[in-house]
Amino acid sequence: DAKTTQPTSMDCAEGRAANLPCNHSTISGNEYVYWYRQIHSQGPQYIIHGLKNNETNEMASLIITEDRKSSTLILPHATLRDTAVYYCIVCPAYNTDKLIFGTGTRLQVFP
Amino acid sequence: DTAVSQTPKYLVTQMGNDKSIKCEQNLGHDTMYWYKQDSKKFLKIMFSYNNKELIINETVPNRFSPKSPDKAHLNLHINSLELGDSAVYFCASSQDLGSGGAYFGPGTRLTVT
Repeated sequence: DAKTTQPTSMDCAEGRAANLPCNHSTISGNEYVYWYRQIHSQGPQYIIHGLKNNETNEMASLIITEDRKSSTLILPHATLRDTAVYYCIVCPAYNTDKLIFGTGTRLQVFP
Repeated sequence: DTAVSQTPKYLVTQMGNDKSIKCEQNLGHDTMYWYKQDSKKFLKIMFSYNNKELIINETVPNRFSPKSPDKAHLNLHINSLELGDSAVYFCASSQDLGSGGAYFGPGTRLTVT
């Protein structure tokens, strides 16, 4: 079973920031927070991950609360191509068989 | 260059047949996986394979068997196909998850008639 809770769907206007929340209140000390997305008919795509510090890469930023019980994925300037299902996953770094996907958030970016 | 590739992309077959899906990764990763995505879009892990250690999701029927001829390949064999096996199957690979994510292939859409 997935250990995260995400809203079922969200909308975002093109060019605006998309902020996708995730609750993981039972996260363990050795578990990372991973974000993936799946664009229609494609394989899941890795976006970003973090342990406790905020992270940023060319795709997105990840903000993790100090107690690590929740996080937010930020797409700073959403485009139509960012329309996808976004998955938040908690997983120990060395237990690779624990990458378990939940139902995710369906983000719709509109013009 | 494609990082994780799968063949075929589409596979239509009849109940009772035996089929295989091939997966190759050119990332030098140590761990490979098979996932199944059903019609409701739930992604479920079936197997992970690392250094010849196979970890099986206990819900996977033994008609499904992964075979790894080498570190870069993890093929999925399915015997006696059933209607419920219809789904999209994704192969993936990863190194140490602490240093990055898993990379997924484009998927194989299996339809059993």
